[in-house]
Amino acid sequence: EPEVTQTPSHQVTQMGQEVILRCVPISNHLYFYWYRQILGQKVEFLVSFYNNEISEKSEIFDDQFSVERPDGSNFTLKIRSTKLEDSAMYFCASTGGAYEQYFGPGTRLTVT
Amino acid sequence: KNEVEQSPQNLTAQEGEFITINCSYSVGISALHWLQQHPGGGIVSLFMLSSGKKKHGRLIATINIQEKHSSLHITASHPRDSAVYICAVRWDDTGNQFYFGTGTSLTVIP
Repeated sequence: EPEVTQTPSHQVTQMGQEVILRCVPISNHLYFYWYRQILGQKVEFLVSFYNNEISEKSEIFDDQFSVERPDGSNFTLKIRSTKLEDSAMYFCASTGGAYEQYFGPGTRLTVT
Repeated sequence: KNEVEQSPQNLTAQEGEFITINCSYSVGISALHWLQQHPGGGIVSLFMLSSGKKKHGRLIATINIQEKHSSLHITASHPRDSAVYICAVRWDDTGNQFYFGTGTSLTVIP
């Protein structure tokens, strides 16, 4: 069964560094999302992406964040200058025509 | 503010028990997801509903659009069902993204 994949599974970085989280959505899906889950809290929507542009973004998704689909398969989330409070699990998801969301396994980001 | 509420927050059951987890939401939705999150963190979609009832194995999900309420039932619960169960909704007036409840932590004791 097709699945969403994410790399790396765990990323440790120092405060102020840039990180890029990578996702490979399911190949025929058209909508892509990033969510995050701070430890012990609920999953929060960050951004959705369709037709090579952002379609919705939350208040969390400020100028430090950006997304890109650099080729036909990858979907990336970049955090320009990480802060301690960016430490979280980041989930990528994609949907096809039925709009059911398929989630990746997540990337645990630890900012020290 | 649009809200998704789940109850109970925590649930402990004996193996074999019938389990119900509830989700209520504040305004109209176009779809509702029930998701399972295991201790390792990964999220698995169990059901997506917009009306009625769905069944998969020992899992049953129902939704009442008028009452803005959904339930997830687990029949003949098993220790491997221990996980966090999350309700997520897509509001009528937003895009295709989902908004999540805080989850129900289920522990099934042998």
